[in-house]
Amino acid sequence: GAVVSQHPSWVICKSGTSVKIECRSLDFQATTMFWYRQFPKQSLMLMATSNEGSKATYEQGVEKDKFLINHASLTLSTLTVTSAHPEDSSFYICSAGPGTETYEQYFGPGTRLTVT
Amino acid sequence: QKEVEQDPGPLSVPEGAIVSLNCTYSNSAFQYFMWYRQYSRKGPELLMYTYSSGNKEDGRFTAQVDKSSKYISLFIRDSQPSDSATYLCAMRGMNTGNQFYFGTGTSLTVIP
Repeated sequence: GAVVSQHPSWVICKSGTSVKIECRSLDFQATTMFWYRQFPKQSLMLMATSNEGSKATYEQGVEKDKFLINHASLTLSTLTVTSAHPEDSSFYICSAGPGTETYEQYFGPGTRLTVT
Repeated sequence: QKEVEQDPGPLSVPEGAIVSLNCTYSNSAFQYFMWYRQYSRKGPELLMYTYSSGNKEDGRFTAQVDKSSKYISLFIRDSQPSDSATYLCAMRGMNTGNQFYFGTGTSLTVIP
């Protein structure tokens, strides 16, 4: 089956620093990847759509200068949280699909970010 | 009004019980309906998907979609302790772009 990995799985950083999270599709190519944020006991909130070779599309209310997304290849997208603050602490999850079937979104294991 | 409504639970059932999980939605353009299972501190795992109305069965899991009522269900037969997780419904339409609309998830515990 399609596998999506994320790295790191857990990161703690100090306020004001930047953190990069990687999302990789291991056995398929993905022209589009999605980044979500999830707070405890809440559902997934789509942050942005990452498009290979072009700029990401951000959802309303998501600061594009704070959450930098780069989709450099068909198997890798990165999310960089710049100048992190404690309110950025959350569970970040990416997803990707191997083909054109719209239901085929496979999620990574998530990255838990804690900003102290 | 939220696009997708899902009772967060928690739902607690004895092992072997039939579990019914449900979501309602408001956008009649939704065509693809998915159910994901999410274990604690893990990413969601696709369980089942259905296109348009109808039923779909996969082992102990059955997904139902009633577009006329804007209501979808997931049934789990012979529930097992390993089914304990949060179940998220998700849906999208042909004209909703790439965005999936998720329910808040229902937390299920199956007691041995």
